[in-house]
Amino acid sequence: EAGVAQSPRYKIIEKRQSVAFWCNPISGHATLYWYQQILGQGPKLLIQFQNNGVVDDSQLPKDRFSAERLKGVDSTLKIQPAKLEDSAVYLCASSPLGTANEKLFFGSGTQLSVL
Amino acid sequence: SQKIEQNSEALNIQEGKTATLTCNYTNYSPAYLQWYRQDPGRGPVFLLLIRENEKEKRKERLKVTFDTTLKQSLFHITASQPADSATYLCSSKNQAGTALIFGKGTTLSVSS
Repeated sequence: EAGVAQSPRYKIIEKRQSVAFWCNPISGHATLYWYQQILGQGPKLLIQFQNNGVVDDSQLPKDRFSAERLKGVDSTLKIQPAKLEDSAVYLCASSPLGTANEKLFFGSGTQLSVL
Repeated sequence: SQKIEQNSEALNIQEGKTATLTCNYTNYSPAYLQWYRQDPGRGPVFLLLIRENEKEKRKERLKVTFDTTLKQSLFHITASQPADSATYLCSSKNQAGTALIFGKGTTLSVSS
């Protein structure tokens, strides 16, 4: 079974530039999450999709962050404009639908450095 | 607001010893807790889930306990090996029940 795919693995940009990250979840997984992990911290949820609908985006800084999952499969997270404090690893995770399957499957993440 | 706290940022032990990591939660009562392992440059990998009505759960050299009175979970690795060196994250569902929240993690280093 293929895992969660993310690209790019690394990205370096200057502040005020824009950047986009891509995620392809495990086939058949209805739920997709984007987490932000700052160095030395645990992952922090940014947004959760179920199929192509948003379940929770309460911690997404909507003035600069946006995400979409148009066909209910892969997803894109965008930052525009980036700030220095956005430097972090952006993790995508997926899980099957249903309470019996609460565990998350994570991708390797995109490491973003904002200079 | 609900919190998951892993108070030890780092734990150093010798090979063969038992590593014990602590996770405390406040301001809510999670139905379950999960433990994940994260290696440098990789995403977290699920290890174990323990429900509130389970006192203890085991998987090979791993053991997790859940004490609802102390609001605490302990994660044990017996006969530790250098390959067990990693960051271990404790997590549970948020109050809305929609997604997982994570502690900061404890970085375990096992020396030979």
